[in-house]
Formats: sequence, C-alpha cells, structure tokens
Amino acid sequence: GQNIDQPTEMTATEGAIVQINCTYQTSGFNGLFWYQQHAGEAPTFLSYNVLDGLEEKGRFSSFLSRSKGYSYLLLKELQMKDSASYLCAVRPQGAGNTPLVFGKGTRLSVIA
Amino acid sequence: DAEITQSPRHKITETGRQVTLACHQTWNHNNMFWYRQDLGHGLRLIHYSYGVHDTNKGEVSDGYSVSRSNTEDLPLTLESAASSQTSVYFCASSEGSPPGELFFGEGSRLTVL
Repeated sequence: GQNIDQPTEMTATEGAIVQINCTYQTSGFNGLFWYQQHAGEAPTFLSYNVLDGLEEKGRFSSFLSRSKGYSYLLLKELQMKDSASYLCAVRPQGAGNTPLVFGKGTRLSVIA
Repeated sequence: DAEITQSPRHKITETGRQVTLACHQTWNHNNMFWYRQDLGHGLRLIHYSYGVHDTNKGEVSDGYSVSRSNTEDLPLTLESAASSQTSVYFCASSEGSPPGELFFGEGSRLTVL
C-alpha cells in the first residue's frame, strides 16, 4: 500500500523561512514531487527529486532522503502569494509512467 | 500555446443521472489521468490512460468509466451519479521528461443532489 504523510496546516510570517515535511511509505520508489495549489485553482509543478540531496530552484528548495522515506520543501523569503496548499506526491516503483500518489496536502498561511 | 481544458467547469446534477466530464489536451501527451479532490483526502486517482485505446483503473474507480479514442481526449463518465461523487475533478496529462510532471486542467466542480 501507499502512505504519504504531511502536516495539515502551517502558518508562517512574511519574509521568514518555512519547511514543509513529507514522509512516505510506498511499494518501491521512483521519484518524489512537490506541487503548489492555490485555493480554487489547479495544482502546478514545483520540484522533482529522485536522488538523495537538495534541489534548489530560486526561493524554493526540495530535499530527499530515500533511506528515511523523507522529503521536505523549503520556502525562503516568504511572500503573501505563497499562501497555498503544497502537495507531496510519490511515484511508486513500476514500469513506465506509474501514476503519482498524492499526500493530503499542507495548507500554508503566510501572515504579515 | 498548448493547454489542457475541462468542461463543464461547474455542474449540478441529480442522483442517478449519467454525467460526462470532458478533458481535452493539446500537448500531444500520451498519458492522461483523472483525479478527484475532496477535503481530508487530497487528490485520488480515478482512471488513467497511457495511450489510445488504453485505460486503467485507479484507486477510486468504482462508479466511473473512461474511454480513449484519440490522443487529445479522455472523457470521464459517471454512469449513475451518487451524492458521494460530489467533488472537484481534475484531469491531467504528462509526457517524458521530467517524468511525472503533470499538467492539470482547471478542474470541474460536480454537485450531485
């Protein structure tokens, strides 16, 4: 079975740094993805990790430890527009484009 | 610009009626997916397709069907709508690299009364 856990809600202050954690237990592993979803909108792709380590993309970074089944999304210099849900998704091991399995998402509120 | 569009964006129907949600993509992607999103559950996979005439069941496929007659379209049909199928439905497509990057449609909000 697949199990992906992330906190339901987080609050952080504008200009600060926030870390959103994701732990997973899946049947094999073939990549971890982070998506951003603003209220009432579609999810949009943020990052992808398949090897251990940190991937940096501007204000956003994503980290992966396969041995621990753990990832985090790091958002720096928070802006009000970063208020959104952040979805962690894992691709289990399988042939070809195995569908992604999503966590329930973390709703981040950025306050002044 | 290439895009993925869903229709209708909002629909209200009655229990027992057949409903079809359309999904059309111009990315020329082979892979297309239907997810539903509900509070407390996140995105759950309903059906998916890896190409024309290919369809596969996802985690929550009961009560839903899809068909893939061309590359661009993957309509989702609810044969007999139930109140438990009130949800927001997202269609998505993907191709190649980076693997798994899904491009989502804007969503269809379905209410079954």
